[in-house]
Amino acid sequence: QKEVEQNSGPLSVPEGAIASLNCTYSDRGSQSFFWYRQYSGKSPELIMFIYSNGDKEDGRFTAQLNKASQYVSLLIRDSQPSDSATYLCAVNPDRGSTLGRLYFGRGTQLTVWP
Amino acid sequence: DADVTQTPRNRITKTGKRIMLECSQTKGHDRMYWYRQDPGLGLRLIYYSFDVKDINKGEISDGYSVSRQAQAKFSLSLESAIPNQTALYFCATSDLTTGRGETQYFGPGTRLLVL
Repeated sequence: QKEVEQNSGPLSVPEGAIASLNCTYSDRGSQSFFWYRQYSGKSPELIMFIYSNGDKEDGRFTAQLNKASQYVSLLIRDSQPSDSATYLCAVNPDRGSTLGRLYFGRGTQLTVWP
Repeated sequence: DADVTQTPRNRITKTGKRIMLECSQTKGHDRMYWYRQDPGLGLRLIYYSFDVKDINKGEISDGYSVSRQAQAKFSLSLESAIPNQTALYFCATSDLTTGRGETQYFGPGTRLLVL
């Protein structure tokens, strides 16, 4: 069973702070990792993906991957009220016939208050 | 713009009825997926298709069936709807290009209520 675990939250941070979202996964061989943002009642939209250990930065967002510890995190710098959403972590085990399937965590609800 | 569309966007039906949810995409992607989302449970995969001739069961396929009519169309059917199939349903597409995983693009969702 491939599991992706996230703290459900809610995580609440003030505007301008750094929000840190964490995700752990069970399949040690997983190769690709994705962060999606989902506003209430809307569809998930991709924020970032990461394949290699270390950090990947895109604007105010930084994804961090540690395959040895089997965790991936998302940092949001200078958080804005518009960042308030549920953040979904997704993992692609990238093996054989399941190539392309994503396994999603349950999501972490983030609230950024003014 | 290239897009993923779902019809209907909202549907109310009664227990025992057969219903179909449709998904169309103009992205030219080969791979299509159906998920359901329930509060607190995240996204769960129902069925997926890697090309027109390939259909695979996901985690929760019981009570559902699918049809891949063309590269651009992937339909989900509930043969005999039951109340615990009330959920938000998403279609997604992806295109394997790098061989190291892929991005999935989601449609706007169909909100289904089974009475």
